Amino acid sequence: TQLLEQSPQFLSIQEGENLTVYCNSSSVFSSLQWYRQEPGEGPVLLVTVVTGGEVKKLKRLTFQFGDARKDSSLHITAAQPGDTGLYLCAGEGGGSNYKLTFGKGTLLTVNP
Amino acid sequence: EAQVTQNPRYLITVTGKKLTVTCSQNMNHEYMSWYRQDPGLGLRQIYYSMNVEVTDKGDVPEGYKVSRKEKRNFPLILESPSPNQTSLYFCASSLWGLAGHEQYFGPGTRLTVT
Repeated sequence: TQLLEQSPQFLSIQEGENLTVYCNSSSVFSSLQWYRQEPGEGPVLLVTVVTGGEVKKLKRLTFQFGDARKDSSLHITAAQPGDTGLYLCAGEGGGSNYKLTFGKGTLLTVNP
Repeated sequence: EAQVTQNPRYLITVTGKKLTVTCSQNMNHEYMSWYRQDPGLGLRQIYYSMNVEVTDKGDVPEGYKVSRKEKRNFPLILESPSPNQTSLYFCASSLWGLAGHEQYFGPGTRLTVT
């Protein structure tokens, strides 16, 4: 079974601060996705990274896929209260394995 | 509007009473999946389906059944629910596989088994 460890589990910061969330595994993933989930709703996809070393930017969010495709990070610059939510990473096994494994998530609170 | 719908949104039932949670998508997606979300355990995949009549187990399939007779529907069946199946359930779909394809999630079904 492939596992994804997310850290930190909880993060509470002030508006305007920067933060990084990590997603680590001992397994190789063919692709990795980041989602954000708000209370009472399903997760919403933020980004998919496929190539080792890939960096993608989405406004103030920067996503990086590790060279070995075993880890990923999400960096938020100048966090805003609207960034508050549960951030989830999810890895796809690859090949004929279409299982999707989720990390347990990072609950981010951005205080005004 | 592209969406994944689930019904019911909330369900309280008793141990052993068979139930079905329906899931439907209007995006002509090949891939559909069921997850459960529990505090401290995160989202775990129950079953997934690559196409009509093609289903496979995820990480926690015990106690669940699924069927994919039509492309748009992917119901989750609990033949004999038990209290440990109390959870928040999500259905999701994507165009094909996962790499590079957005997975759309339904709004969730909160199930309580007493």
